[in-house]
Amino acid sequence: NAGVTQTPKFRILKIGQSMTLQCTQDMNHNYMYWYRQDPGMGLKLIYYSVGAGITDKGEVPNGYNVSRSTTEDFPLRLELAAPSQTSVYFCASSYGTVNTEAFFGQGTRLTVV
Amino acid sequence: AQTVTQSQPEMSVQEAETVTLSCTYDTSESDYYLFWYKQPPSRQMILVIRQEAYKQQNATENRFSVNFQKAAKSFSLKISDSQLGDAAMYFCAYRSAHQFYFGTGTSLTVIP
Repeated sequence: NAGVTQTPKFRILKIGQSMTLQCTQDMNHNYMYWYRQDPGMGLKLIYYSVGAGITDKGEVPNGYNVSRSTTEDFPLRLELAAPSQTSVYFCASSYGTVNTEAFFGQGTRLTVV
Repeated sequence: AQTVTQSQPEMSVQEAETVTLSCTYDTSESDYYLFWYKQPPSRQMILVIRQEAYKQQNATENRFSVNFQKAAKSFSLKISDSQLGDAAMYFCAYRSAHQFYFGTGTSLTVIP
């Protein structure tokens, strides 16, 4: 069972570079999320999607973009990387009903130097 | 907006003892779920337990149980018979219709 798969697991970027974090899930979940985790700050929501073609901003969307062309995939794009984007990024997915939990990928540790 | 507060950044427990991690939340919604997640050093987020707001009975999963006080908006996690494998970061989470809100986490150390 693959669940939620994120790639890459680690990445070092130089300031000003761009990259896409890939996320795919095989559970037919309609909801998908991107979070960033910083020490002592918990998980902050960057963007989320309630279905293909629908995305919405979370708490910390600046510097990021997303798209959701299929149910399975929810890539996160970083444009013009900045040191403040150094973090661990998690993709997650869930069903839309409130009683269901989020399933997480294994995270991507991104360092911007 | 909903907020989730974990006031204990770090906790420690002796192996085989019991520890309670605290969590409070703020919401005006009536229908919601609460979750505890465990994050070991591997970084993987693992669901520990969930609680429905409408259920007065506290959820239990083996050595893990919750003390859910809806009026006080409190949702603490009790770990009984602590084991070395319980050492991890624990996150409390609130789910509304579209989002999960997470606390800042409690780092649990288990002392042999």
